Amino acid sequence: DGGITQSPKYLFRKEGQNVTLSCEQNLNHDAMYWYRQDPGQGLRLIYYSQIVNDFQKGDIAEGYSVSREKKESFPLTVTSAQKNPTAFYLCASSLRGGDGYTFGSGTRLTVV
Amino acid sequence: AQKVTQAQTEISVVEKEDVTLDCVYETRDTTYYLFWYKQPPSGELVFLIRRNSFDEQNEISGRYSWNFQKSTSSFNFTITASQVVDSAVYFCALSEAPGTASKLTFGTGTRLQVTL
Repeated sequence: DGGITQSPKYLFRKEGQNVTLSCEQNLNHDAMYWYRQDPGQGLRLIYYSQIVNDFQKGDIAEGYSVSREKKESFPLTVTSAQKNPTAFYLCASSLRGGDGYTFGSGTRLTVV
Repeated sequence: AQKVTQAQTEISVVEKEDVTLDCVYETRDTTYYLFWYKQPPSGELVFLIRRNSFDEQNEISGRYSWNFQKSTSSFNFTITASQVVDSAVYFCALSEAPGTASKLTFGTGTRLQVTL
């Protein structure tokens, strides 16, 4: 079945450590996105990518980095520069903008 | 800049009641898309509907219906005869004019609690 796989589902890290969240899709979608969800704040866009080797900052990109070396993969690194990394992270993809977006099941990151 | 407002933070209803979730949006684009998503406790976002800016027809799908009014920039969602399984957080979202990638702007969500 086609879809988006995010791993791991839960992730714990010590403060000051970088951590990479995985996102893989087999939908042959061109565009991929990373969103962050905090309680009561909805979802906010971190980064998005339209094609391989190209990505754009979203509204809250500071402290995050991404890569798009393959069409299927869009990993997100939460760096030590991110001041409040504890959140729920959702990856999404779309064939074209405006089409239905498919979301992964999310990764809940807790930094202690 | 785009903005989506869901003024209702939390709604509680008794099963079988009808409930309407409000969504008001702001955009300067003439072409855009509106979405509703459901987020159950598991966390995954479930797509419910997409409406483009040129289609103001109301839509009904089973117990769900949507009322899109450009004149008031609203895209409200009604659940008829609510059920406990409808309990979730519901998000309204707006995407900019379509391109290869279009960013989704989300509202803050409305938590719906349906009790017996």
